[in-house]
Amino acid sequence: KAGVTQTPRYLIKTRGQQVTLSCSPISGHRSVSWYQQTPGQGLQFLFEYFSETQRNKGNFPGRFSGRQFSNSRSEMNVSTLELGDSALYLCASSSQGSETQYFGPGTRLLVL
Amino acid sequence: GEDVEQSLFLSVREGDSSVINCTYTDSSSTYLYWYKQEPGAGLQLLTYIFSNMDMKQDQRLTVLLNKKDKHLSLRIADTQTGDSAIYFCAEQDSGYSTLTFGKGTMLLVSP
Repeated sequence: KAGVTQTPRYLIKTRGQQVTLSCSPISGHRSVSWYQQTPGQGLQFLFEYFSETQRNKGNFPGRFSGRQFSNSRSEMNVSTLELGDSALYLCASSSQGSETQYFGPGTRLLVL
Repeated sequence: GEDVEQSLFLSVREGDSSVINCTYTDSSSTYLYWYKQEPGAGLQLLTYIFSNMDMKQDQRLTVLLNKKDKHLSLRIADTQTGDSAIYFCAEQDSGYSTLTFGKGTMLLVSP
């Protein structure tokens, strides 16, 4: 089976812009979770989607949003980008959500 | 609240055993994971253990869980230079997908 894929791998944006990141889970997996990784805060949970519904949400402002499509692919959107949004954004998929999670390679976002 | 603590750095010589330690606070954790991250890469699942187990062995990897002390360790036997990476401990609550990660332990293996 192919692993979790994320696009794009690298992105450079300027403050105030918005960005959309994409994640394709492992075939058959219905749960997709998103994490932000920064040197200062480490790995922090953003949100989880299961069967097109947001099931869990971390402690991030409303500028961070996401959605999941019927084929389980997920997108996350960050609006009005701030310098502090520069991070590695990781997506993870699992079969039902409460089992082993497999991570993609991440999208590295740089906000200038 | 939930918290996962790890030592930040470990240096070993090639061929030695490495032991990376982790403590967690959430007594309702049912799964505990070890992930490996190489520079510029995502997280690679190494192994995991259910909270009702004490030990799990997988080739060169041995995971020990002391549930009473909420202590988890990862032992890598015959450590190789290719094992140099950051290792993350993570806990997962029962029925939920959310993983709570430690800050990661940087393992440096010298020849």
